[in-house]
Amino acid sequence: GAVVSQHPSWVICKSGTSVKIECRSLDFQATTMFWYRQFPKQSLMLMATSNEGSKATYEQGVEKDKFLINHASLTLSTLTVTSAHPEDSSFYICSAGHPGVPNSPLHFGNGTRLTVT
Amino acid sequence: EDQVTQSPEALRLQEGESSSLNCSYTVSGLRGLFWYRQDPGKGPEFLFTLYSAGEEKEKERLKATLTKKESFLHITAPKPEDSATYLCAVHPGFQGAQKLVFGQGTRLTINP
Repeated sequence: GAVVSQHPSWVICKSGTSVKIECRSLDFQATTMFWYRQFPKQSLMLMATSNEGSKATYEQGVEKDKFLINHASLTLSTLTVTSAHPEDSSFYICSAGHPGVPNSPLHFGNGTRLTVT
Repeated sequence: EDQVTQSPEALRLQEGESSSLNCSYTVSGLRGLFWYRQDPGKGPEFLFTLYSAGEEKEKERLKATLTKKESFLHITAPKPEDSATYLCAVHPGFQGAQKLVFGQGTRLTINP
């Protein structure tokens, strides 16, 4: 069964509004989670690393004020797309790996399709 | 710069027609190479991890192999349900925990 749950699976919002996406690890505690973005027929691009109890680490070119990440507990990370614009429309996917297991594979959520109108 | 290149970009096969997908990589130290399967509108599903050259892993009709520069995903006698995008990713040696670099994927279609 799924080990990482992501919600919602899809969302449509108006330009200028904010959208929150949740990512939960279901049967393990994840001190680190990762947020990816995927455009149609393209690969996954890492946006940021979410660290429980501390600030997220953003990849080069990703606006931290636009993509707010909160990792308040060991099983939940949230990504908030603030003041969304049509160019933010994309497929957002979170992932987590079992802590303490070197090189354990990342498990991915089922993604959130965001459409900004 | 760490890089992963997959080929072909797309592949159409008849049911039962075996083939291989390629993943070439250049990384600053390899801690692991991962294969994932992704269905449309879904997140990637983990298939295999390979750690060192010469290693092989098998699961049903899939077998993954690894050399120092590339990995292959061999598909034997595929079925239509094997149709998906197959993603290859590497965990570079100097990156923090599980920061993966993905290839662009191979879209595999198996015709009945």
